[in-house]
Amino acid sequence: GAVVSQHPSWVICKSGTSVKIECRSLDFQATTMFWYRQFPKQSLMLMATSNEGSKATYEQGVEKDKFLINHASLTLSTLTVTSAHPEDSSFYICRAGRDRYEQYFGPGTRLTVT
Amino acid sequence: ILNVEQSPQSLHVQEGDSTNFTCSFPSSNFYALHWYRWETAKSPEALFVMTLNGDEKKKGRISATLNTKEGYSYLYIKGSQPEDSATYLCAFITGTASKLTFGTGTRLQVTL
Repeated sequence: GAVVSQHPSWVICKSGTSVKIECRSLDFQATTMFWYRQFPKQSLMLMATSNEGSKATYEQGVEKDKFLINHASLTLSTLTVTSAHPEDSSFYICRAGRDRYEQYFGPGTRLTVT
Repeated sequence: ILNVEQSPQSLHVQEGDSTNFTCSFPSSNFYALHWYRWETAKSPEALFVMTLNGDEKKKGRISATLNTKEGYSYLYIKGSQPEDSATYLCAFITGTASKLTFGTGTRLQVTL
């Protein structure tokens, strides 16, 4: 079956630094990928929709200058958390698929900002 | 803001017990409902995509029903096994968008 990978699976960084998270579709091309964030005991919240070759679409309340999304190819989208702060500590997970019904999640990235 | 609610929040059953949980969603402008199974440290795995009112889907010991008019879906697990321990998420799609709105999940623990 289709697989979506994420890297890294967990990362600890210091406040003020930037962290890049990669989401790759391993055996299919994805023109659209979705980035979610999950805080403890809350649901997965959509942050942005990443579109190959064009700008990402951000959800209300998500700072586009802080969460930079680049979808440079049909198999790779990256999320960069710039100038990370402890409140950015969260679980970040991507989703990609061939079509609206066949969608796959990556395994997620646990970010801890100290 | 769409509200998708799941209950119970967590559930602890013995091996062999049958169980069920609920996903409630807005009944207007329904397009599809997804169920996912999410084991710790793994990717959420798609279980069902349900689109029609009255839909009933089955995969092994797991089945799901859908009522779009009243805005709920049930997930049933027959004869729970320890390997069924996971968080079960439902997600709702409205209209023609591809955005999924997730519930907070039901965390199931099955013990021997």
